[in-house]
Amino acid sequence: EDQVTQSPEALRLQEGESSSLNCSYTVSGLRGLFWYRQDPGKGPEFLFTLYSAGEEKEKERLKATLTKKESFLHITAPKPEDSATYLCAVQAASGGSYIPTFGRGTSLIVHP
Amino acid sequence: EAGVAQSPRYKIIEKRQSVAFWCNPISGHATLYWYQQILGQGPKLLIQFQNNGVVDDSQLPKDRFSAERLKGVDSTLKIQPAKLEDSAVYLCASSFRDRVPYFGPGTRLTVT
Repeated sequence: EDQVTQSPEALRLQEGESSSLNCSYTVSGLRGLFWYRQDPGKGPEFLFTLYSAGEEKEKERLKATLTKKESFLHITAPKPEDSATYLCAVQAASGGSYIPTFGRGTSLIVHP
Repeated sequence: EAGVAQSPRYKIIEKRQSVAFWCNPISGHATLYWYQQILGQGPKLLIQFQNNGVVDDSQLPKDRFSAERLKGVDSTLKIQPAKLEDSAVYLCASSFRDRVPYFGPGTRLTVT
């Protein structure tokens, strides 16, 4: 069974304190890994897609990387507006189609 | 480009009542997903459609949940009868073929 595990469950940072969120996965036939941001009361907002080990994507203070077993979301010099839940999802082949499976998310709070 | 539309945004019902949620995907997106997100957890896939055919519904509680996608565009998710444990946010997402799922704002269901 495909599994996606995110750690830590919660993270509190001071403004400017860089850190990383982890997403480890065990799937067969990985097609892609997605990172989303979810604010309270809203649907997940797409951030990045990673397709192969060694790939990296950047957007403002966020950088996502991928290995064969895990992905990291690096947050550099975070600001309070980066506070949100960050979700990781893996898309794996299943019977000819691709099914996205989500982790439980990491709740990030950035204090000013 | 218009995003995924969902209605209603909020719904409160008593247990054993029925409820229906509606989703209109992004234009041209053939794949449509319904996810259930319980507070503090990641989204769990209930059903995935490709056009108007079901790709995966292995986690859909079929004794009480049903979903349809008429003409391969709009979709409706129904719960009948509702249980207390169905209290959650129901998220609809769509994607172009099997690419990145884009989410709507969700419907928050409270069952009392």
